[in-house]
Amino acid sequence: EAGVVQSPRYKIIEKKQPVAFWCNPISGHNTLYWYLQNLGQGPELLIRYENEEAVDDSQLPKDRFSAERLKGVDSTLKIQPAELGDSAVYLCASSLSASGSVDEQFFGPGTRLTVL
Amino acid sequence: GENVEQHPSTLSVQEGDSAVIKCTYSDSASNYFPWYKQELGKRPQLIIDIRSNVGEKKDQRIAVTLNKTAKHFSLHITETQPEDSAVYFCAATRDTGRRALTFGSGTRLQVQP
Repeated sequence: EAGVVQSPRYKIIEKKQPVAFWCNPISGHNTLYWYLQNLGQGPELLIRYENEEAVDDSQLPKDRFSAERLKGVDSTLKIQPAELGDSAVYLCASSLSASGSVDEQFFGPGTRLTVL
Repeated sequence: GENVEQHPSTLSVQEGDSAVIKCTYSDSASNYFPWYKQELGKRPQLIIDIRSNVGEKKDQRIAVTLNKTAKHFSLHITETQPEDSAVYFCAATRDTGRRALTFGSGTRLQVQP
Protein backbone atom coordinates (compact mmCIF):
# COMPACT_ATOMS: atom_id res chain seq x y z
CA GLU A 1 0.00 0.00 0.00
CA ALA A 2 1.09 3.58 -0.53
CA GLY A 3 2.48 5.27 2.53
CA VAL A 4 1.87 8.76 3.87
CA VAL A 5 2.74 11.29 1.18
CA GLN A 6 4.03 14.77 1.89
CA SER A 7 5.02 17.64 -0.33
CA PRO A 8 7.17 19.49 -0.85
CA ARG A 9 10.12 17.52 0.53
CA TYR A 10 12.22 20.64 0.89
CA LYS A 11 11.35 24.32 1.11
CA ILE A 12 13.58 27.35 1.50
CA ILE A 13 11.96 30.70 2.15
CA GLU A 14 12.84 34.13 3.48
CA LYS A 15 11.57 35.08 6.90
CA LYS A 16 8.15 36.73 7.00
CA GLN A 17 7.06 34.79 3.91
CA PRO A 18 4.15 32.33 4.04
CA VAL A 19 4.61 28.60 3.47
CA ALA A 20 2.29 25.63 3.19
CA PHE A 21 2.82 21.89 3.55
CA TRP A 22 0.56 19.18 2.22
CA CYS A 23 -0.11 15.68 3.52
CA ASN A 24 -2.03 12.75 2.07
CA PRO A 25 -2.50 10.01 4.70
CA ILE A 26 -2.77 6.29 4.09
CA SER A 27 -6.12 5.47 2.54
CA GLY A 28 -8.73 4.76 5.21
CA HIS A 29 -6.75 6.28 8.07
CA ASN A 30 -9.05 8.67 9.87
CA THR A 31 -6.55 10.07 12.38
CA LEU A 32 -3.92 12.48 11.09
CA TYR A 33 -1.10 14.14 13.00
CA TRP A 34 1.28 16.98 12.26
CA TYR A 35 4.54 16.83 14.19
CA LEU A 36 7.48 19.24 14.33
CA GLN A 37 10.96 17.74 14.51
CA ASN A 38 13.87 19.99 15.38
CA LEU A 39 17.38 18.83 14.59
CA GLY A 40 18.55 16.17 17.01
CA GLN A 41 15.22 15.94 18.81
CA GLY A 42 12.14 13.77 18.81
CA PRO A 43 8.96 14.79 17.00
CA GLU A 44 6.56 17.04 18.91
CA LEU A 45 2.84 17.16 18.20
CA LEU A 46 1.42 20.29 16.59
CA ILE A 47 -2.13 19.14 15.86
CA ARG A 48 -4.18 15.94 15.66
CA TYR A 49 -7.27 15.38 13.53
CA GLU A 50 -9.92 12.74 13.81
CA ASN A 51 -11.58 12.85 10.41
CA GLU A 52 -12.06 16.56 9.72
CA GLU A 53 -12.13 17.62 13.38
CA ALA A 54 -9.06 19.05 15.11
CA VAL A 55 -9.23 17.26 18.47
CA ASP A 56 -5.89 18.40 19.87
CA ASP A 57 -4.31 21.66 18.75
CA SER A 58 -3.04 22.83 22.12
CA GLN A 59 0.58 22.86 20.91
CA LEU A 60 -0.10 24.72 17.68
CA PRO A 61 1.15 28.36 17.75
CA LYS A 62 -2.09 29.81 16.51
CA ASP A 63 -0.77 33.30 15.94
CA ARG A 64 1.14 32.12 12.88
CA PHE A 65 0.25 28.47 12.27
CA SER A 66 -2.98 27.13 10.84
CA ALA A 67 -4.11 23.76 9.58
CA GLU A 68 -7.07 22.26 7.83
CA ARG A 69 -8.42 18.89 6.83
CA LEU A 70 -11.58 19.88 5.04
CA LYS A 71 -12.83 16.52 3.73
CA GLY A 72 -11.23 14.36 6.37
CA VAL A 73 -8.52 13.11 4.01
CA ASP A 74 -5.72 15.45 2.87
CA SER A 75 -4.40 18.09 5.21
CA THR A 76 -2.54 21.37 4.83
CA LEU A 77 -0.36 23.07 7.43
CA LYS A 78 0.42 26.74 6.91
CA ILE A 79 2.81 29.19 8.52
CA GLN A 80 2.31 32.90 8.00
CA PRO A 81 4.61 34.68 8.51
CA ALA A 82 7.54 32.30 8.90
CA GLU A 83 10.27 33.05 11.43
CA LEU A 84 13.87 31.88 11.59
CA GLY A 85 13.00 29.53 14.46
CA ASP A 86 10.49 27.68 12.31
CA SER A 87 13.31 25.93 10.45
CA ALA A 88 12.70 22.25 11.13
CA VAL A 89 11.24 19.09 9.63
CA TYR A 90 7.45 18.94 9.57
CA LEU A 91 6.22 15.36 9.76
CA CYS A 92 2.75 14.13 8.97
CA ALA A 93 1.53 10.80 10.35
CA SER A 94 -1.69 8.83 10.16
CA SER A 95 -3.31 5.96 12.02
CA LEU A 96 -6.37 3.84 11.48
CA SER A 97 -8.66 4.18 14.46
CA ALA A 98 -10.40 7.28 15.75
CA SER A 99 -11.43 5.63 19.00
CA GLY A 100 -10.59 2.58 21.03
CA SER A 101 -7.07 1.31 21.53
CA VAL A 102 -3.99 2.95 20.10
CA ASP A 103 -2.90 1.94 16.60
CA GLU A 104 0.46 2.29 14.90
CA GLN A 105 1.24 5.72 13.54
CA PHE A 106 2.75 5.74 10.08
CA PHE A 107 4.94 8.70 9.25
CA GLY A 108 5.49 10.53 6.01
CA PRO A 109 8.98 11.51 4.78
CA GLY A 110 8.59 15.04 6.13
CA THR A 111 9.10 18.51 4.72
CA ARG A 112 12.39 20.13 5.62
CA LEU A 113 11.83 23.87 6.00
CA THR A 114 14.68 26.34 5.99
CA VAL A 115 13.88 29.96 6.84
CA LEU A 116 16.58 32.46 5.85
CA GLY B 1 1.25 16.12 30.33
CA GLU B 2 3.57 13.25 29.55
CA ASN B 3 7.33 13.66 29.65
CA VAL B 4 9.68 11.05 28.22
CA GLU B 5 13.40 11.02 28.90
CA GLN B 6 15.79 8.89 26.87
CA HIS B 7 19.38 7.80 27.49
CA PRO B 8 22.01 7.68 26.20
CA SER B 9 21.96 10.33 23.50
CA THR B 10 24.69 8.52 21.57
CA LEU B 11 25.80 4.90 21.66
CA SER B 12 28.64 3.27 19.79
CA VAL B 13 29.03 -0.52 19.77
CA GLN B 14 31.05 -3.06 17.87
CA GLU B 15 29.26 -5.25 15.36
CA GLY B 16 27.87 -8.29 17.11
CA ASP B 17 27.61 -6.63 20.51
CA SER B 18 24.34 -5.76 22.23
CA ALA B 19 22.87 -2.27 22.56
CA VAL B 20 20.49 -1.05 25.24
CA ILE B 21 18.53 2.21 25.20
CA LYS B 22 16.52 3.30 28.21
CA CYS B 23 13.51 5.59 28.61
CA THR B 24 11.49 6.85 31.54
CA TYR B 25 8.02 8.35 31.43
CA SER B 26 6.08 10.50 33.84
CA ASP B 27 2.39 9.77 33.21
CA SER B 28 1.33 6.63 35.07
CA ALA B 29 -1.72 6.41 32.78
CA SER B 30 0.44 5.85 29.69
CA ASN B 31 -0.07 2.33 28.41
CA TYR B 32 1.43 2.15 24.93
CA PHE B 33 5.18 2.39 24.29
CA PRO B 34 6.46 2.22 20.70
CA TRP B 35 10.03 2.43 19.47
CA TYR B 36 10.84 4.10 16.16
CA LYS B 37 13.98 3.88 14.04
CA GLN B 38 14.90 6.88 11.90
CA GLU B 39 17.68 6.66 9.36
CA LEU B 40 19.32 9.85 8.18
CA GLY B 41 16.92 11.92 6.12
CA LYS B 42 14.17 9.32 6.29
CA ARG B 43 10.87 8.91 8.06
CA PRO B 44 10.54 7.35 11.54
CA GLN B 45 9.50 3.69 11.27
CA LEU B 46 8.02 1.54 14.00
CA ILE B 47 10.28 -1.35 14.96
CA ILE B 48 8.55 -2.70 18.05
CA ASP B 49 5.94 -1.67 20.59
CA ILE B 50 4.69 -2.84 23.95
CA ARG B 51 1.47 -2.33 25.89
CA SER B 52 1.25 -2.02 29.63
CA ASN B 53 -0.36 -5.42 30.10
CA VAL B 54 2.91 -7.22 29.28
CA GLY B 55 6.42 -6.88 30.67
CA GLU B 56 8.49 -7.98 27.69
CA LYS B 57 8.16 -8.45 23.96
CA LYS B 58 10.64 -9.90 21.47
CA ASP B 59 10.96 -9.80 17.71
CA GLN B 60 14.05 -11.59 16.45
CA ARG B 61 17.06 -9.50 17.54
CA ILE B 62 14.95 -6.78 19.13
CA ALA B 63 13.26 -6.84 22.53
CA VAL B 64 11.53 -4.30 24.70
CA THR B 65 11.00 -4.51 28.45
CA LEU B 66 8.59 -2.47 30.55
CA ASN B 67 8.62 -1.78 34.28
CA LYS B 68 5.35 -0.04 35.12
CA THR B 69 6.21 0.44 38.77
CA ALA B 70 9.40 2.31 37.98
CA LYS B 71 7.89 3.87 34.84
CA HIS B 72 10.71 2.91 32.55
CA PHE B 73 11.11 0.83 29.43
CA SER B 74 14.11 -0.29 27.46
CA LEU B 75 15.05 -1.38 23.95
CA HIS B 76 17.51 -4.23 23.58
CA ILE B 77 19.20 -5.03 20.26
CA THR B 78 21.33 -8.16 20.16
CA GLU B 79 23.94 -9.17 17.57
CA THR B 80 24.05 -5.65 16.22
CA GLN B 81 24.77 -5.09 12.53
CA PRO B 82 25.97 -1.98 10.67
CA GLU B 83 22.47 -1.54 9.23
CA ASP B 84 21.17 -1.04 12.79
CA SER B 85 22.97 2.32 12.77
CA ALA B 86 20.28 5.01 13.05
CA VAL B 87 18.53 7.26 15.55
CA TYR B 88 16.10 5.43 17.81
CA PHE B 89 13.19 7.17 19.51
CA CYS B 90 11.05 5.86 22.33
CA ALA B 91 7.55 7.20 22.85
CA ALA B 92 4.60 6.90 25.19
CA THR B 93 0.90 7.60 25.09
CA ARG B 94 -2.40 6.57 26.70
CA ASP B 95 -5.46 5.08 25.06
CA THR B 96 -7.87 7.73 26.23
CA GLY B 97 -7.80 11.47 25.73
CA ARG B 98 -4.82 12.82 23.88
CA ARG B 99 -3.39 9.94 21.90
CA ALA B 100 -0.53 11.67 20.15
CA LEU B 101 2.85 10.17 20.95
CA THR B 102 5.25 11.91 23.32
CA PHE B 103 8.75 11.14 22.07
CA GLY B 104 12.07 10.93 23.81
CA SER B 105 14.97 12.98 22.49
CA GLY B 106 16.49 10.10 20.56
CA THR B 107 19.59 7.90 20.70
CA ARG B 108 22.07 7.87 17.87
CA LEU B 109 23.34 4.30 17.57
CA GLN B 110 26.53 3.68 15.63
CA VAL B 111 27.50 0.07 14.96
CA GLN B 112 31.18 -0.20 14.07
CA PRO B 113 32.02 -2.97 11.57
